[in-house]
Amino acid sequence: KNEVEQSPQNLTAQEGEFITINCSYSVGISALHWLQQHPGGGIVSLFMLSSGKKKHGRLIATINIQEKHSSLHITASHPRDSAVYICAAPFYNTDKLIFGTGTRLQVFP
Amino acid sequence: NAGVTQTPKFQVLKTGQSMTLQCAQDMNHNSMYWYRQDPGMGLRLIYYSASEGTTDKGEVPNGYNVSRLNKREFSLRLESAAPSQTSVYFCASSEHSAGTAYTGELFFGEGSRLTVL
Repeated sequence: KNEVEQSPQNLTAQEGEFITINCSYSVGISALHWLQQHPGGGIVSLFMLSSGKKKHGRLIATINIQEKHSSLHITASHPRDSAVYICAAPFYNTDKLIFGTGTRLQVFP
Repeated sequence: NAGVTQTPKFQVLKTGQSMTLQCAQDMNHNSMYWYRQDPGMGLRLIYYSASEGTTDKGEVPNGYNVSRLNKREFSLRLESAAPSQTSVYFCASSEHSAGTAYTGELFFGEGSRLTVL
């Protein structure tokens, strides 16, 4: 049983489209991570948030702690946004994380 | 500023051979982690270290040992490699220690692709 679920698993978009990736979790958490893994394999942290919304460039992350749900939005998507996006939540309020299986995004010109 | 550095990037082993994956971070982080990533599965925690001198098992520790040599370095050892350990391994670090209700930003190494024949 995976306690962090992402949807969709795969997503294709045309350049310029607005993208939404969802993450639901069953454990009680106080913070959630969004990560990006590029085709080359490297993983970078995009956001860590515990409430409300955070914005960085064209990326926006929101979280609703009560509903145990977070979303990652990409505005004006670009082919360079093509990557796997992963959400992760701490396990029982420790700093061990449970990872979702990722959403593979492909943005075509 | 190198961040998290792990070596080697690629390794091929025969069943039964041993090897050590090295990881070092230069951000003065307390917590360090070893994960494995397999197709169709999320990253899974192998071992974790909240501070120098302490280590803790994660979800999939069998077949692995770790050593937190100092605050900078956290190594992962496969004593007798098995084909099931074929995977991509990631080292990561964060600034918060165990037991806190809040997790610091994670920084990952570039990954080590291990194949066990």
